Amino acid sequence: DAGITQSPRHKVTETGTPVTLRCHQTENHRYMYWYRQDPGHGLRLIHYSYGVKDTDKGEVSDGYSVSRSKTEDFLLTLESATSSQTSVYFCAISDPGGNTEAFFGQGTRLTVV
Amino acid sequence: QKEVEQNSGPLSVPEGAIASLNCTYSDRGSQSFFWYRQYSGKSPELIMFIYSNGDKEDGRFTAQLNKASQYVSLLIRDSQPSDSATYLCAVNIGYGQNFVFGPGTRLSVLP
Repeated sequence: DAGITQSPRHKVTETGTPVTLRCHQTENHRYMYWYRQDPGHGLRLIHYSYGVKDTDKGEVSDGYSVSRSKTEDFLLTLESATSSQTSVYFCAISDPGGNTEAFFGQGTRLTVV
Repeated sequence: QKEVEQNSGPLSVPEGAIASLNCTYSDRGSQSFFWYRQYSGKSPELIMFIYSNGDKEDGRFTAQLNKASQYVSLLIRDSQPSDSATYLCAVNIGYGQNFVFGPGTRLSVLP
């Protein structure tokens, strides 16, 4: 298995509170991604990073911010959690090149009450 | 908006039959195509990738790509109950960025 660790694995939080999810990799892959997965929508890209301190928005970035201060760590922050952000969040990594796959972490189940 | 479409299913096949999963994509600049399997409550795992027109075989799995029709498929021969999962089609437009996923097709293989 690719060395990707997400933490926490499960979290319940209250509406309006900030939440940070962490993704840690030991593969030294350049690209890191945050996706959310919801029934009927599949995997949707929130933000991605193509290097340290280099990030860009995905299709569902509103309400989320990210940071990457080291190659191995990619943080996803919900500044003020809302119930619509209840989801399963997956981190993924890949290397440059069109024919390289994305490897996924175990996922974080976040519930906002 | 780059889109990847799949039938959501569920697709039910008897054990030993061939399961055929289909995917279409909208971006003609797409360069590589991936099939992931996801068991309930687990993360997606890669089954196969393909980037040239034609067929690519790996054991019981065959991926088929037709770029002119913007169509990619996955055939699973001799389907087993352990193949029951959701299958995600993903498209990469290149340079290691922006994998776009379809909504997935749920496959059920009946013993």
